[in-house]
Amino acid sequence: GENVEQHPSTLSVQEGDSAVIKCTYSDSASNYFPWYKQELGKGPQLIIDIRSNVGEKKDQRIAVTLNKTAKHFSLHITETQPEDSAVYFCAASDNWDNNDMRFGAGTRLTVKP
Amino acid sequence: DVKVTQSSRYLVKRTGEKVFLECVQDMDHENMFWYRQDPGLGLRLIYFSYDVKMKEKGDIPEGYSVSREKKERFSLILESASTNQTSMYLCASSPRGGPSYEQYFGPGTRLTVT
Repeated sequence: GENVEQHPSTLSVQEGDSAVIKCTYSDSASNYFPWYKQELGKGPQLIIDIRSNVGEKKDQRIAVTLNKTAKHFSLHITETQPEDSAVYFCAASDNWDNNDMRFGAGTRLTVKP
Repeated sequence: DVKVTQSSRYLVKRTGEKVFLECVQDMDHENMFWYRQDPGLGLRLIYFSYDVKMKEKGDIPEGYSVSREKKERFSLILESASTNQTSMYLCASSPRGGPSYEQYFGPGTRLTVT
């Protein structure tokens, strides 16, 4: 089955700096790669996703890149703000119904003002 | 806005008790999920349901069962709670098929088994 590894487990940056979180996956059949943000006391919330027919996707300060050959994808947050502080999870899935979604272990991002 | 609610935010139970965790979604989603979240392990799927009365085992179903009698409600049952089931439990829902694959999560139930 799919195995998703996520690095780093913790990341601390100064406000205004960029943050990058990386994930690798094992199943070449995976075709959907979402990123979820979990704030304290809340459930994870989708912030951006990418499908295997796209190499990069951007949404304001957030971007995700996918390298299918190397089987890795990354989340990039530019101009970080204190409200970006949260736990971020990557995930990979190879079917329509997400019942085979595999999550990374999570990255705790701290943005220092 | 999609709303997924879970019956309790915090729960303390004793070893051997039968525990019910309830989840309700208001967006008429076909799919519902129960995950367990532990530090360093991410989210692991316990059970998945794609329709009323339908269920599929996830990666860690042992010690758990589920019930889906109505489309909007998905229950997780710990038949005989054990200390190693102390964890954060997250419920999620999603529409079946495309174009959106997004899973909508509830706030979680932190269960402590003593």
